[in-house]
Amino acid sequence: GAVVSQHPSWVICKSGTSVKIECRSLDFQATTMFWYRQFPKQSLMLMATSNEGSKATYEQGVEKDKFLINHASLTLSTLTVTSAHPEDSSFYICSAREPLTSGRVFPYEQYFGPGTRLTVT
Amino acid sequence: AQSVTQLDSQVPVFEEAPVELRCNYSSSVSVYLFWYVQYPNQGLQLLLKYLSGSTLVKGINGFEAEFNKSQTSFHLRKPSVHISDTAEYFCAVIRLTGTASKLTFGTGTRLQVTL
Repeated sequence: GAVVSQHPSWVICKSGTSVKIECRSLDFQATTMFWYRQFPKQSLMLMATSNEGSKATYEQGVEKDKFLINHASLTLSTLTVTSAHPEDSSFYICSAREPLTSGRVFPYEQYFGPGTRLTVT
Repeated sequence: AQSVTQLDSQVPVFEEAPVELRCNYSSSVSVYLFWYVQYPNQGLQLLLKYLSGSTLVKGINGFEAEFNKSQTSFHLRKPSVHISDTAEYFCAVIRLTGTASKLTFGTGTRLQVTL
């Protein structure tokens, strides 16, 4: 249980184009999803928190217009990197959390997707 | 404020030797602690977690960790490592603020197992 998928697993795009990454919870409803960015040999940095049906909350220093996040359903959140540039190349990982009313003893645990490698040329 | 410190960026160890990966946290409130493993070009896999109760937590792949409140530590251990344990290990802590939760990661420790 608690499986999260990401699509695509890797993508190469040209500078100036936009790319969309999908994050899906396969066997549970995720009222909250998180997007992380990981540079080579570094830790994960939280970019934003998205709640189903509302606007995402971005961390300080993350450009909202650059990284568009949509959480339109309880099983899908998307991250769109707009007008991508080489410095946006990174490993993007999403995670999902069940509703706090799920009945779990600890409902705050996050379940991680396998990540998406973005390379902007 | 809350932070997670992983003191060792790299830990080289021979196969079948024991290993300890260190993690210290700072927090003024109750904490919920996690260890994740990341293999190259993959996402995170949960190794184990401490929520409450027994301070010795056993996880997958033979790993265990001990929560030490007085030393604010949550070190990861394995009595005998395998080549396949070579990976990046992240310690993390969840901070709760009302109904919101934020997961903060340490900088990671690269475990390199050799013959």
